Amino acid sequence: EPEVTQTPSHQVTQMGQEVILRCVPISNHLYFYWYRQILGQKVEFLVSFYNNEISEKSEIFDDQFSVERPDGSNFTLKIRSTKLEDSAMYFCASRRGLAEAYEQYFGPGTRLTVT
Amino acid sequence: DAKTTQPTSMDCAEGRAANLPCNHSTISGNEYVYWYRQIHSQGPQYIIHGLKNNETNEMASLIITEDRKSSTLILPHATLRDTAVYYCIVRVNAGNMLTFGGGTRLMVKP
Repeated sequence: EPEVTQTPSHQVTQMGQEVILRCVPISNHLYFYWYRQILGQKVEFLVSFYNNEISEKSEIFDDQFSVERPDGSNFTLKIRSTKLEDSAMYFCASRRGLAEAYEQYFGPGTRLTVT
Repeated sequence: DAKTTQPTSMDCAEGRAANLPCNHSTISGNEYVYWYRQIHSQGPQYIIHGLKNNETNEMASLIITEDRKSSTLILPHATLRDTAVYYCIVRVNAGNMLTFGGGTRLMVKP
């Protein structure tokens, strides 16, 4: 069964450094998402991406964040200058279409630790 | 998207049916009920969704009341691997993002 993959599984970085989290969505999916979950808290939506542009973003997704689909398979989340409060699990998701029959498939997540 | 209310936690004996309730009294006519679960910090996993009719798939059944103000997710024969946080989410069918609440932490016990 096709699945969303994410790398790395765990990333440790120092405050102020840039990080790039990578995702490979399911191959015939057209809609891509990033969510995050701070330890012990709810899963929060960050951004959605379709047709090479952001379609929706939350208040969390400020100028420090950016997304890109650099080629036909990868979908990346970049944090320019990490803060301690960016420490969280980051989940990528993809969806084939917006019709109700199509659910979002989530990857296993990347645990980001900012020290 | 309409707000949902779920119990914080529930226990279920292994092999028995787990019935997880969800209230969504402000649901509107074009909003679907989706259920996802999250097993120990893994990525959320889709379970099932429905609009008005009851639905069943290989994982679970979804029972939606006639007035659509509440629903129940049923895991017919819970196993230890079903221990997870279960999220009931209501949204329009073309809605983009998922809004997760606190969910119900289901503990399946031997």
